[in-house]
Amino acid sequence: DAGITQSPRHKVTETGTPVTLRCHQTENHRYMYWYRQDPGHGLRLIHYSYGVKDTDKGEVSDGYSVSRSKTEDFLLTLESATSSQTSVYFCAISEADQETQYFGPGTRLLVL
Amino acid sequence: KNQVEQSPQSLIILEGKNCTLQCNYTVSPFSNLRWYKQDTGRGPVSLTIMTFSENTKSNGRYTATLDADTKQSSLHITASQLSDSASYICVVKRNTGNQFYFGTGTSLTVIP
Repeated sequence: DAGITQSPRHKVTETGTPVTLRCHQTENHRYMYWYRQDPGHGLRLIHYSYGVKDTDKGEVSDGYSVSRSKTEDFLLTLESATSSQTSVYFCAISEADQETQYFGPGTRLLVL
Repeated sequence: KNQVEQSPQSLIILEGKNCTLQCNYTVSPFSNLRWYKQDTGRGPVSLTIMTFSENTKSNGRYTATLDADTKQSSLHITASQLSDSASYICVVKRNTGNQFYFGTGTSLTVIP
């Protein structure tokens, strides 16, 4: 998986609790992305980062925040988890925005 | 509206046979088109990236074509193998901002 790890790989949480997912890369790529994947939908971009402390919103950013304090780590926080945020979350990296994206193994999140 | 549509939704073929998957898009302005393979329970893996000027690109037994005039792409798989069983996702990048539009994928099953 191109030097990308995601943690945790599985999580069950309750509605209203905060949740943080971590993406860690060893490739020193500039761009990092968070996607969610749901049945009947293609992957949808939540947030992305184009450098340390540089982030921007994607298509489905409401209810999510991100932080990138180091090149290798990109955190996704669900401020107050809702059942609609039950999904599989993928992190991806790329050297530049026109280049291939490499995806992590995914985190399966269940919000009860 | 920027959209990516893939067909068929699912496909079953015999091992050793060829198949072709379709992708139609309305994304504009166009930057590039990507095909990914996603095995069950794993993150997508890039197969090809094509820009406006490229109309064919191969990666082993996978050959992608692009007709930017009609906004259509296809992925041809030659001499299919059991390991080709996966979801194949078409992704179009818009030339403004960092926006990717994902199709919902074609689920391919190769049977012995």
